[in-house]
Amino acid sequence: NAGVTQTPKFQVLKTGQSMTLQCAQDMNHNSMYWYRQDPGMGLRLIYYSASEGTTDKGEVPNGYNVSRLNKREFSLRLESAAPSQTSVYFCASSELGRTEAFFGQGTRLTVV
Amino acid sequence: GENVEQHPSTLSVQEGDSAVIKCTYSDSASNYFPWYKQELGKGPQLIIDIRSNVGEKKDQRIAVTLNKTAKHFSLHITETQPEDSAVYFCAAKGNSGGGADGLTFGKGTHLIIQP
Repeated sequence: NAGVTQTPKFQVLKTGQSMTLQCAQDMNHNSMYWYRQDPGMGLRLIYYSASEGTTDKGEVPNGYNVSRLNKREFSLRLESAAPSQTSVYFCASSELGRTEAFFGQGTRLTVV
Repeated sequence: GENVEQHPSTLSVQEGDSAVIKCTYSDSASNYFPWYKQELGKGPQLIIDIRSNVGEKKDQRIAVTLNKTAKHFSLHITETQPEDSAVYFCAAKGNSGGGADGLTFGKGTHLIIQP
């Protein structure tokens, strides 16, 4: 009963490097989300995908790109990492038309 | 867009006492208000939610109240226990005809239960 699985759990990048955060859900949900969590800031929406084949910007999309690979998988890419992108990233999913969101365990990213 | 304010940022209570966390929201069109609990090193987990057509909802020691006129909602935890220690987030969601545009979160409350 995995739910939402994120990889990797931890990552250290040098400024300017690129990487992709992976997310997969096994609940057959249509909607998937990427949030970032910073101290004292709560969770802020980066991008979301209402259904397979669609993606939309959230509150803080700059510096990120996403791909909804299929119904299960939603990846987040940092093309040129910056120290300001040091954060904990959470992927979530929900059923379209329903509101409860299920979160993964998070990816702790440090950009030096 | 929606703006959610949450208070207090830290709350320390004696074990067995009650804890109350309060949130306000700005968008009168918001119609769904969940509360999430986040333990150290884990992702947020839904503990209770309320919709705009309901004023109060209770689940064992946890209750949530909603005042649509004042645009505020609160989480009440009674008979607190050590395992209630965590960070709690409130959130709000508008009516986007499918609910897929994500939640707006408050900044979180670190609840500390003193033995």
